[in-house]
Amino acid sequence: GEDVEQSLFLSVREGDSSVINCTYTDSSSTYLYWYKQEPGAGLQLLTYIFSNMDMKQDQRLTVLLNKKDKHLSLRIADTQTGDSAIYFCAESINNDMRFGAGTRLTVKP
Amino acid sequence: KAGVTQTPRYLIKTRGQQVTLSCSPISGHRSVSWYQQTPGQGLQFLFEYFSETQRNKGNFPGRFSGRQFSNSRSEMNVSTLELGDSALYLCASSLQGQGVVNTEAFFGQGTRLTVV
Repeated sequence: GEDVEQSLFLSVREGDSSVINCTYTDSSSTYLYWYKQEPGAGLQLLTYIFSNMDMKQDQRLTVLLNKKDKHLSLRIADTQTGDSAIYFCAESINNDMRFGAGTRLTVKP
Repeated sequence: KAGVTQTPRYLIKTRGQQVTLSCSPISGHRSVSWYQQTPGQGLQFLFEYFSETQRNKGNFPGRFSGRQFSNSRSEMNVSTLELGDSALYLCASSLQGQGVVNTEAFFGQGTRLTVV
C-alpha cells in the first residue's frame, strides 16, 4: 500500500471551507507538502510545513499537522471554483519524496 | 524565466516498443526527478538525477531508465512497453534536489503516454 494516504474525492459548495486530509506513516518525515494539480497542468507547490510545526497559515490556506497521529490537513477558506483541482500531500525523508494518490476537489457554484 | 519543459506532450506507442521522454529543467537547476502518475497508483517516484548522476531510485523495473546530460536536461527511457505503462509522466526540477524545502520543485506539464 501507499505510505501517504488521502481520500480520493471531496465536493463542496462555493464559499464553504474545504478540508483535505492526509495521513503519513514515516515519523522521520522532515517536511510535509501540499501540491495542486489543475487539469492539463503539472503540480504546483501550494504550501509546506516543517515537521516541528503544528500549524501554518497562508492567506486562505491553513495547514494543520498532528505529528502524534501522523495526520496532515489542508483547509481552504472561502473555496472558489478556481480551487477545483487535485490536491496531493507529500512527505520528504532525506532526499526521498512520497506522494499521496491525490484528492479531487470539486467546487459547485 | 522558462519553466520545466517536457516533450512530447502526447505519445502513442504499441506494446513491445520503447520510448524516450525528454525534460528540460529550469535554467540553473541541477536536479531532475521523474514521476509516473496513474489513476490507480497515484504519483509514484521513478528516479532522480543530480549533476548527471542517478541519486535516488524508486521501485520500478529495470525497463525504466534515465540519464542526465551536462546541461541538466534529462531523458527517461522505457523499453519493452506494456499496457500498464500508460500514464502521465511528470518531471520536476529543483536547484538541489527533491525534498529540500528551500529549493522548491517545479513540475512540467507531463508527457501522456498511451500504450496500445
